[in-house]
Amino acid sequence: DGGITQSPKYLFRKEGQNVTLSCEQNLNHDAMYWYRQDPGQGLRLIYYSQIVNDFQKGDIAEGYSVSREKKESFPLTVTSAQKNPTAFYLCASSRGWGEAFFGQGTRLTVV
Amino acid sequence: QQQVKQSPQSLIVQKGGIPIINCAYENTAFDYFPWYQQFPGKGPALLIAIRPDVSEKKEGRFTISFNKSAKQFSLHIMDSQPGDSATYFCAASGNNFNKFYFGSGTKLNVKP
Repeated sequence: DGGITQSPKYLFRKEGQNVTLSCEQNLNHDAMYWYRQDPGQGLRLIYYSQIVNDFQKGDIAEGYSVSREKKESFPLTVTSAQKNPTAFYLCASSRGWGEAFFGQGTRLTVV
Repeated sequence: QQQVKQSPQSLIVQKGGIPIINCAYENTAFDYFPWYQQFPGKGPALLIAIRPDVSEKKEGRFTISFNKSAKQFSLHIMDSQPGDSATYFCAASGNNFNKFYFGSGTKLNVKP
């Protein structure tokens, strides 16, 4: 089954803690993206990567970090510098600028 | 500057009605316009997409109308059903871009 797998589905973070969200794709896509979605809101781009070992900041990159060491994987770390991390996080991939496929999301809650 | 503007923010129709969601874009270099459907707690899924060389594309009950001169495109859902109740996002991208630009979303409620 081809697709994008995000894990975990639910994640709880304590104040001052870094957490990492996993995103894996087996679609052989070059491009991968991380979006944040707040309740009733649209999609805001955090980071994106067009190729292995290269990534760019999106519109709301502060408090987040990423890596792209393998084509299939694009993990997102939510650092303690992100003051309001509670949100729904979506990973996506695409072949260039064509159709983008999304994962099922990770819901992060600060406790 | 918001590259893609979407309206309305929310929409309520009766079963069988034809909800219409509109999007407008700024950059004439965009040449790929997809629509995504998202159910609560799920990731968005591609519904239908159009390129600017055609003015209309239909897939099942979903139709995109595209007006290149006005830089606008819209989604029509024929014979809407309660199962179509979801949030819909338009987007724009193209060969000269390395990311997607999403609209703000429209929450559709189809009443039985």
